[in-house]
Amino acid sequence: QKEVEQNSGPLSVPEGAIASLNCTYSDRGSQSFFWYRQYSGKSPELIMFIYSNGDKEDGRFTAQLNKASQYVSLLIRDSQPSDSATYLCAVSPPGQNFVFGPGTRLSVLP
Amino acid sequence: ETGVTQTPRHLVMGMTNKKSLKCEQHLGHNAMYWYKQSAKKPLELMFVYSLEERVENNSVPSRFSPECPNSSHLFLHLHTLQPEDSALYLCASSQVLDTGYGYTFGSGTRLTVV
Repeated sequence: QKEVEQNSGPLSVPEGAIASLNCTYSDRGSQSFFWYRQYSGKSPELIMFIYSNGDKEDGRFTAQLNKASQYVSLLIRDSQPSDSATYLCAVSPPGQNFVFGPGTRLSVLP
Repeated sequence: ETGVTQTPRHLVMGMTNKKSLKCEQHLGHNAMYWYKQSAKKPLELMFVYSLEERVENNSVPSRFSPECPNSSHLFLHLHTLQPEDSALYLCASSQVLDTGYGYTFGSGTRLTVV
């Protein structure tokens, strides 16, 4: 059973703080990792992807991947109320379609 | 708009009705997907099409019937649904079946079965 786990939250952080979202996965052969943001009532939107161990930065977002420990995280710096959404982690096991986690609900408090 | 268009946005149907959901992508992608999203549950993959051929069917009840007439269009035909089928149905597409490139999702159809 291929699984992707996330803390469902809600994760509450004050405006301007760093939000840290974590995801673990079970298939050690997974190669591609994605973070999607989903606002309430809307469809998921791809915000970051990472393939290699280490950090990948894009604006206020940083994705971190550690394949040995089988976790991937998303850091959001200078969190804004507009970042309040559910963040979905998706993992691509080799030769298979995405496996999505249940999502972490983030609430940024003004 | 993300390049993947779904209609209708909202649908209320009785358990004896027949309806269809439509998805159209304008991205030149070769793979298309139907997902079901229920409250507090992970996205559930329902059907996968690559170059108009169904490549995966994840044990979905026969009351859901997909159709992919060409690489740009995907339908989900619904009949004799149950209240537990009420959910957000999302269509997605990707460049190729290998999902290393990520998906583009449509806005979804919010389905309510009464």
